[in-house]
Amino acid sequence: NAGVTQTPKFQVLKTGQSMTLQCAQDMNHEYMSWYRQDPGMGLRLIHYSVGAGITDQGEVPNGYNVSRSTTEDFPLRLLSAAPSQTSVYFCASSYSTSDAQGDGYTFGSGTRLTVV
Amino acid sequence: DAKTTQPNSMESNEEEPVHLPCNHSTISGTDYIHWYRQLPSQGPEYVIHGLTSNVNNRMASLAIAEDRKSSTLILHRATLRDAAVYYCILRRGDTGKLIFGQGTTLQVKP
Repeated sequence: NAGVTQTPKFQVLKTGQSMTLQCAQDMNHEYMSWYRQDPGMGLRLIHYSVGAGITDQGEVPNGYNVSRSTTEDFPLRLLSAAPSQTSVYFCASSYSTSDAQGDGYTFGSGTRLTVV
Repeated sequence: DAKTTQPNSMESNEEEPVHLPCNHSTISGTDYIHWYRQLPSQGPEYVIHGLTSNVNNRMASLAIAEDRKSSTLILHRATLRDAAVYYCILRRGDTGKLIFGQGTTLQVKP
């Protein structure tokens, strides 16, 4: 089924370890973004991309890197994990920056990350 | 980024209509009004979006005030599966960013 695929679904890291959260979409969406959601809170934007080769920072970018080498993939890298990065991470995509076309964002099912 | 204001929580009875309000007094001319909902332990789900005119789809209706400073999401007949957190968000017309607020927790009583 077409959609946004996130891997892994669950991950436990030790403080200082690095890892990459994977996000892939097969809908030929230009726009992709990463959010984190802490318990009982709303989603906060980490990084976003308006197309291959273009990325920009969101509300809470510190501690995270992204790249967009293809339209389909938008990985999120944690270079040195900290307990404050324990959260649920959601990847989302949309057809374009313009809302004149498309049906909003499609979200993945999330990655639950615990840093101990 | 323009902010939205929503009630923290609302209650509804099953099979009755639900009107979820949202204020966005600082909206700019190119901002689209988006609504998403999030069921427990799931990612957000797109509900509807609009710019100036009222919009209808299979899930809901969106009523936008003439001055665009407020909008209302209408669920025509609430079911127990509609219990969720509903987010009203302004999507920037230039960058496309979607900035979430706290949302409204909707409870549906049988």
